[in-house]
Amino acid sequence: EVQLVETGGGLIQPGGSLRLSCAASGFTVSSNYMSWVRQAPGKGLEWVSVIYSGGSTYYADSVKGRFTISRDNSKNTLYLQMNSLRAEDTAVYYCARVPEVDYMDVWGKGTTVTVSS
Amino acid sequence: SYVLTQPPSVSVAPGKTARITCGGNNIGSKSVHWYQQKPGQAPVLVIYYDSDRPSGIPERFSGSNSGNTATLTISRVEAGDEADYYCQVWDSSSDPFWVFGGGTKLTVL
Repeated sequence: EVQLVETGGGLIQPGGSLRLSCAASGFTVSSNYMSWVRQAPGKGLEWVSVIYSGGSTYYADSVKGRFTISRDNSKNTLYLQMNSLRAEDTAVYYCARVPEVDYMDVWGKGTTVTVSS
Repeated sequence: SYVLTQPPSVSVAPGKTARITCGGNNIGSKSVHWYQQKPGQAPVLVIYYDSDRPSGIPERFSGSNSGNTATLTISRVEAGDEADYYCQVWDSSSDPFWVFGGGTKLTVL
């Protein structure tokens, strides 16, 4: 079964750091584009970052320079390192598979990040 | 950046047809994808490439895209279809690349 499971969320103070993990099963992370999408409380979906199968990475302007996407092929796991966290980064963070560049066909259940003092 | 506009809410009676629109500048030249999100759950892809359905999605869900408007149509609406629906496009010339609409809350009366 194709599945994504996110972990690593929690309560963190402004300016702090957190690393999210997304463990994949049923497919190979490194063979796909993989993305992070977040959803602030009561708000819509916002694309955050992507890593291409070739290793290129891209970020939304709102997180550029603060977040880093990466993967561990041996663990078949995607990561999102989040530094200099702000209150506006508070959201549920989903990882998703991007099978053909355009769309996201498999989503994890999400992990909640709360940035507050 | 590219902007997608959705109505905040749509209401429909059970058994009727719901149409959720997604507006964007010349959106007909792009591929549009639709996601369903029920409260407390992750989004689920229901339509991709304007009108294709992933396996497991009922035929009651269909999509179209032309001009400046894409439409998600849900026929014979059921109570279980009540959810938020998001349209999305990919645009390499936009920032961000993956753009979502603001979402439409479908209420089944």
